[in-house]
Amino acid sequence: GESVGLHLPTLSVQEGDNSIINCAYSNSASDYFIWYKQESGKGPQFIIDIRSNMDKRQGQRVTVLLNKTVKHLSLQIAATQPGDSAVYFCAENFGGSNYKLTFGKGTLLTVNP
Amino acid sequence: EPEVTQTPSHQVTQMGQEVILRCVPISNHLYFYWYRQILGQKVEFLVSFYNNEISEKSEIFDDQFSVERPDGSNFTLKIRSTKLEDSAMYFCASGTSGMGEQFFGPGTRLTVL
Repeated sequence: GESVGLHLPTLSVQEGDNSIINCAYSNSASDYFIWYKQESGKGPQFIIDIRSNMDKRQGQRVTVLLNKTVKHLSLQIAATQPGDSAVYFCAENFGGSNYKLTFGKGTLLTVNP
Repeated sequence: EPEVTQTPSHQVTQMGQEVILRCVPISNHLYFYWYRQILGQKVEFLVSFYNNEISEKSEIFDDQFSVERPDGSNFTLKIRSTKLEDSAMYFCASGTSGMGEQFFGPGTRLTVL
């Protein structure tokens, strides 16, 4: 089974560097994916999404890459800023379920000024 | 910009008591959700609600839980007899379609003593 606990994967970067956050998703039938950002004490905030018929999508300073062969999702943040410091979650929507998101464990991104 | 709101922000209750957590989804949204997040862990799906009925629920959402949309604006989660392990952050979310972006509220922190 999947392990859970207080220890999140962490990524520490310098301000201005690019960040790459990775996520392995669980269900090959998933056809919709979202990256959320969660700051301390707040709810998840939408960053970017991608459907399974795409392998790349770009937003403002962010890019999501989807590799369905290995069930891997990544979030690239360009020119990382201190305000980007947060926990980042990937979430998947199973093809057979139109109603729920299944979240990954999250990665703590710390941006050093 | 429209947002999901939740009240109260923090609820403290005694074990065995009933609690009702309240949410006001974004006004033109049709799909409503409750998720929870135990401290330091990932966000977990509880239930989805569409067209005045539950669409899907997780194994966490047992007979102690219920949801209701009592009027055109509120969406509530009731826990009938709280247990210590119900202590968590509870997030309400809403969306315009079953598969698409879900907008999260700021959460209610539930503490069961």
